[in-house]
Amino acid sequence: AQKVTQAQTEISVVEKEDVTLDCVYETRDTTYYLFWYKQPPSGELVFLIRRNSFDEQNEISGRYSWNFQKSTSSFNFTITASQVVDSAVYFCALSADTGANSKLTFGKGITLSVRP
Amino acid sequence: KAGVTQTPRYLIKTRGQQVTLSCSPISGHRSVSWYQQTPGQGLQFLFEYFSETQRNKGNFPGRFSGRQFSNSRSEMNVSTLELGDSALYLCASSLPWTGLNSPLHFGNGTRLTVT
Repeated sequence: AQKVTQAQTEISVVEKEDVTLDCVYETRDTTYYLFWYKQPPSGELVFLIRRNSFDEQNEISGRYSWNFQKSTSSFNFTITASQVVDSAVYFCALSADTGANSKLTFGKGITLSVRP
Repeated sequence: KAGVTQTPRYLIKTRGQQVTLSCSPISGHRSVSWYQQTPGQGLQFLFEYFSETQRNKGNFPGRFSGRQFSNSRSEMNVSTLELGDSALYLCASSLPWTGLNSPLHFGNGTRLTVT
């Protein structure tokens, strides 16, 4: 069975602070994908990034960066110089080799509040 | 390109009734999946349809069903509504032939309230 744990439930920062959102996953599959989604108040889940189990290369995209470590089963997400518009719920998700790419297992989400 | 469209945005029903939710995927996307989001259980996978066939199913009772039409549009039905069915129902579409690598594109959801 797949499991995604987001131990942080709520984070509040002041604008321009850096913030890291943690994600720990469990799966017995050797092929899997990890995702981060953002859910603003409008309700729509917005895709941010995906990583496959064979690609541990970390990435920086603008103010966002990701740290994937198979050794600790973690896939953390960092926002640098946070902005008020980053306020949202952030979900980490896992998709394993179930034969159906759309079956995602989500974490409980982290509510990020960025104060001006 | 238009995103995933879900209708209606809000629904209020009473216990025992049934409800049908609609989802139009992004043009060209042939896989449609449904998720239920509640404060207690979070986001949970309901089912996925591809080429009018249910390809995968989550752990929900038979009261939850769905279907997909030839134009890839999908509907989800919940019969004999219970208070616990109150939730945000999210639909997502994707390009299935890219396998596990294909990200899901979600709609804004339908907020169902059962009284």
